[in-house]
Amino acid sequence: DVKVTQSSRYLVKRTGEKVFLECVQDMDHENMFWYRQDPGLGLRLIYFSYDVKMKEKGDIPEGYSVSREKKERFSLILESASTNQTSMYLCASSLTGFKQPQHFGDGTRLSIL
Amino acid sequence: AQTVTQSQPEMSVQEAETVTLSCTYDTSESNYYLFWYKQPPSRQMILVIRQEAYKQQNATENRFSVNFQKAAKSFSLKISDSQLGDTAMYFCAFMSYGGATNKLIFGTGTLLAVQP
Repeated sequence: DVKVTQSSRYLVKRTGEKVFLECVQDMDHENMFWYRQDPGLGLRLIYFSYDVKMKEKGDIPEGYSVSREKKERFSLILESASTNQTSMYLCASSLTGFKQPQHFGDGTRLSIL
Repeated sequence: AQTVTQSQPEMSVQEAETVTLSCTYDTSESNYYLFWYKQPPSRQMILVIRQEAYKQQNATENRFSVNFQKAAKSFSLKISDSQLGDTAMYFCAFMSYGGATNKLIFGTGTLLAVQP
């Protein structure tokens, strides 16, 4: 089975801090994704990556950046955390190819105080 | 741009009964993939069922089946013999054909509560 591991289930940070969310997958997937999940808004794509060192903006990239130095690891960075970034963050990975489903991690519930 | 709409924010069903969750989408493409994902409380999101647009036959996975109406751009999920473990948030999602990645567009979700 595919395993997507997010480094923290719960995280509390302060406004202005630089925050790192880590995601690791163990199935050699080419594609990795970061989503933000908010009530009534569903999942919104922040950034995705289709190869090492490659990244593309999703629908809501403002205030975020990403890093993919190794194929198995995809990091989401909040450059200067703000209270409106309090949310659930989900990481996913998939193989390349039409119809390949995404596999999700457990999520990180991030609170910015 | 593609959009996915789930018009039922919350639903409730009695154990052992059947429930249908609605999903509509908007696209100008002719070939695409549709998915239903399930997110149990405080647990990982998992794939429930998927349907390829060019296949007319509705997909089925045990107690889960879909009613895919391509002309109406409708993709509903039917859960038969509902179980307590089916309590979860359900998301409908759309994937375009082609491209370098498998980007998904999600609906806003339907929270299903199965009552004993």
